[in-house]
Amino acid sequence: AQSVTQLDSQVPVFEEAPVELRCNYSSSVSVYLFWYVQYPNQGLQLLLKYLSGSTLVKGINGFEAEFNKSQTSFHLRKPSVHISDTAEYFCAVTWGPNTDKLIFGTGTRLQVFP
Amino acid sequence: SQTIHQWPATLVQPVGSPLSLECTVEGTSNPNLYWYRQAAGRGLQLLFYSVGIGQISSEVPQNLSASRPQDRQFILSSKKLLLSDSGFYLCAWSPGTGATYEQYFGPGTRLTVT
Repeated sequence: AQSVTQLDSQVPVFEEAPVELRCNYSSSVSVYLFWYVQYPNQGLQLLLKYLSGSTLVKGINGFEAEFNKSQTSFHLRKPSVHISDTAEYFCAVTWGPNTDKLIFGTGTRLQVFP
Repeated sequence: SQTIHQWPATLVQPVGSPLSLECTVEGTSNPNLYWYRQAAGRGLQLLFYSVGIGQISSEVPQNLSASRPQDRQFILSSKKLLLSDSGFYLCAWSPGTGATYEQYFGPGTRLTVT
């Protein structure tokens, strides 16, 4: 069965430090990858997506992610975090040809401390 | 531009009472529509999705049901709520055609069953 794994349920980090949130997925020929952010009591907002082309994808709020096909990973990174980045982050994947549904990871809680 | 609305924003209902949550999308036609549930501290669970009026696919057996009476309206219902139905309910939409695949989420409904 297709699956998405976010190994870290919580990531604590100090303000202005770099951060990486990990995401791995089960292998498939064609895959489309997404990162979403959820602030408390709000819906999910799309941070970035990989559909094709360059494996390094830049998104909003200074985040970027790299698609690594050989390691089936799509880790999210930010070189310097802010207090306002404190939120829940979800990795999501859809596989061709059944692309009507996204499979979400269980989420990573990023807590930024001053 | 497209917008998605959900109401109510919060709801407290006793066990055994009925439920109706509504989701509407503006600014697009023939969207795919989705209902998710997010339990406290957990990821997203896809409950239902719809690719057209009257077309509903159920992902998880439960005492909930969904309906799509109009192209851009999606309703989540229950005849008798259980304590386990408490959670954060999110509606989402995606383009019915085109190679984008990402989903766009509404603000959510916080349901507490007492």
